[in-house]
Amino acid sequence: GNSVTQMEGPVTLSEEAFLTINCTYTATGYPSLFWYVQYPGEGLQLLLKATKADDKGSNKGFEATYRKETTSFHLEKGSVQVSDSAVYFCALSESGGSNYKLTFGKGTLLTVNP
Amino acid sequence: NAGVTQTPKFRVLKTGQSMTLLCAQDMNHEYMYWYRQDPGMGLRLIHYSVGEGTTAKGEVPDGYNVSRLKKQNFLLGLESAAPSQTSVYFCASSYSMASGNWETQYFGPGTRLLVL
Repeated sequence: GNSVTQMEGPVTLSEEAFLTINCTYTATGYPSLFWYVQYPGEGLQLLLKATKADDKGSNKGFEATYRKETTSFHLEKGSVQVSDSAVYFCALSESGGSNYKLTFGKGTLLTVNP
Repeated sequence: NAGVTQTPKFRVLKTGQSMTLLCAQDMNHEYMYWYRQDPGMGLRLIHYSVGEGTTAKGEVPDGYNVSRLKKQNFLLGLESAAPSQTSVYFCASSYSMASGNWETQYFGPGTRLLVL
């Protein structure tokens, strides 16, 4: 079945540092790929997505590129802020028939210190 | 728009008790989902629904039942709670005819459940 493997956390950075959170996937077909973010005490919200190979999703300074050859969708940000402290989830979609589901990775906790 | 709301926010149960978690959405979404979030396990899908009156099993359905009698509501039931069901439960919804996009899910704020 489909699966998502993402970098184990927690990740602790200083403000303005460069961020990479690795994500690789296993899937049949051609899924869409997502990064969701969960701020403390809240539900998840979509951060960015890419729907086909070589697409780059971007939002709030975060970027991720859909790499089919390496089955990866790594999240990057050039200069993190304290307000980026959150749990980040990589996910992929699967659909077919009446099956419309997202498969999530286990999440990576990011803490950014001033 | 309230988006996705969940009731209650927090609950303590004793083993063997039953309860129902309520999820409501006001975005006219067709699809609704129940997840549980546990430390080190990420989000796991319990049950989902692709339309009023329909439900389907997810990854971890055992011990839970669901109903989708109205399009805007999705109920998650625990008939006989067990300590292993201590978790944070999230509801999500997606897809409207207007957007045509099912893949962007909108999450509620969560229900924290403790089973003693």
